[in-house]
Amino acid sequence: DSGVTQTPKHLITATGQRVTLRCSPRSGDLSVYWYQQSLDQGLQFLIQYYNGEERAKGNILERFSAQQFPDLHSELNLSSLELGDSALYFCASSVDSNEQFFGPGTRLTVL
Amino acid sequence: AQTVTQSQPEMSVQEAETVTLSCTYDTSESDYYLFWYKQPPSRQMILVIRQEAYKQQNATENRFSVNFQKAAKSFSLKISDSQLGDAAMYFCAYADYKLSFGAGTTVTVRA
Repeated sequence: DSGVTQTPKHLITATGQRVTLRCSPRSGDLSVYWYQQSLDQGLQFLIQYYNGEERAKGNILERFSAQQFPDLHSELNLSSLELGDSALYFCASSVDSNEQFFGPGTRLTVL
Repeated sequence: AQTVTQSQPEMSVQEAETVTLSCTYDTSESDYYLFWYKQPPSRQMILVIRQEAYKQQNATENRFSVNFQKAAKSFSLKISDSQLGDAAMYFCAYADYKLSFGAGTTVTVRA
């Protein structure tokens, strides 16, 4: 158990819908990262937050957004969902950017 | 952008034998971190081992060790005394503010 929690574990929704994925980092970790794992794109960095502020962006679509709250939990919002958004979404946290601990992931299926 | 290459999509090893997974990366930085993550069928991302680029000594964690060749930008993982529980996908990752992952190597352990 990494200490990072993610909810829900599975999510099934329809195209065009909006979903929210939630992540709670390890105690004491200020940084939260979101990654997407899909069959065709592999593991890709989406976005990083540090102590409530956006720190870095990767290959994140404009339809996707994230935030980190004062209690340091983070949410990833995915809207106008498309079939290609079906993937495993990981949250990771770290004290510094050099060692990240991953949550169990949320498997999103868009039908 | 840093690129990480794992040239072996699949590797098979006999139980109790040794297997080595290859990884190369591209960077212009002199100080960075490298990691190997294991992803078993549960899909959890588990940190196996980490290497700091400024350390010449190769990292070791129990049966897992790395061969870090900084000049060649090579970072291979050796799994000794392979066990059935080692069967998983293994990802090599380069860290700056985010993790950049290779495509992964699937390791099968034969009983």
